[in-house]
Amino acid sequence: GAVVSQHPSRVICKSGTSVKIECRSLDFQATTMFWYRQFPKQSLMLMATSNEGSKATYEQGVEKDKFLINHASLTLSTLTVTSAHPEDSSFYICSASGDRGDNQPQHFGDGTRLSIL
Amino acid sequence: GNSVTQMEGPVTLSEEAFLTINCTYTATGYPSLFWYVQYPGEGLQLLLKATKADDKGSNKGFEATYRKETTSFHLEKGSVQVSDSAVYFCALTGNEKLTFGTGTRLTIIP
Repeated sequence: GAVVSQHPSRVICKSGTSVKIECRSLDFQATTMFWYRQFPKQSLMLMATSNEGSKATYEQGVEKDKFLINHASLTLSTLTVTSAHPEDSSFYICSASGDRGDNQPQHFGDGTRLSIL
Repeated sequence: GNSVTQMEGPVTLSEEAFLTINCTYTATGYPSLFWYVQYPGEGLQLLLKATKADDKGSNKGFEATYRKETTSFHLEKGSVQVSDSAVYFCALTGNEKLTFGTGTRLTIIP
């Protein structure tokens, strides 16, 4: 089946550091990639949608300058949390879809647990 | 807008019990419906899906039927196992975005 790899799985760093998270589709070309944030025992909150070669579309309330998304190729998207602070600590999950359309499932990475000290 | 209402947990069952997790939705048009499962510390895995009314999605003994008349997509399994312990999310797509329910934590005790 479709495999999405997310790296790193866990990051612990000091306040003010910028952190980059990678999301790769290993066996298919991802037309669209999605970035979610999940707080403990809560559902996933969509942060942004990115299409290869174009700017990401951010959901309302998500700071574009804080969460930089780059979708440079059909197999790689990155999320950079700039100047991270403790309130940015969360579980970040990416997903990828190989085709457009609502019938196509999204394939999820295993997530990145970000802890800012 | 689209929304998904999911039975709140946590749900605790004994092994081999029958499972139902309720899910209802509100959406414009004809969304596709999904159940995803999240094991501890991991991302989400697609469990099953249905793309049109009366479709039944099934996988690993789990089933869910797309009921347009009741706007529901309840998840069922006849005999649960300890390995089914996880968080289950009902979701629908609209405009190529997933809308998730709040998730239901399921614990199966031996």
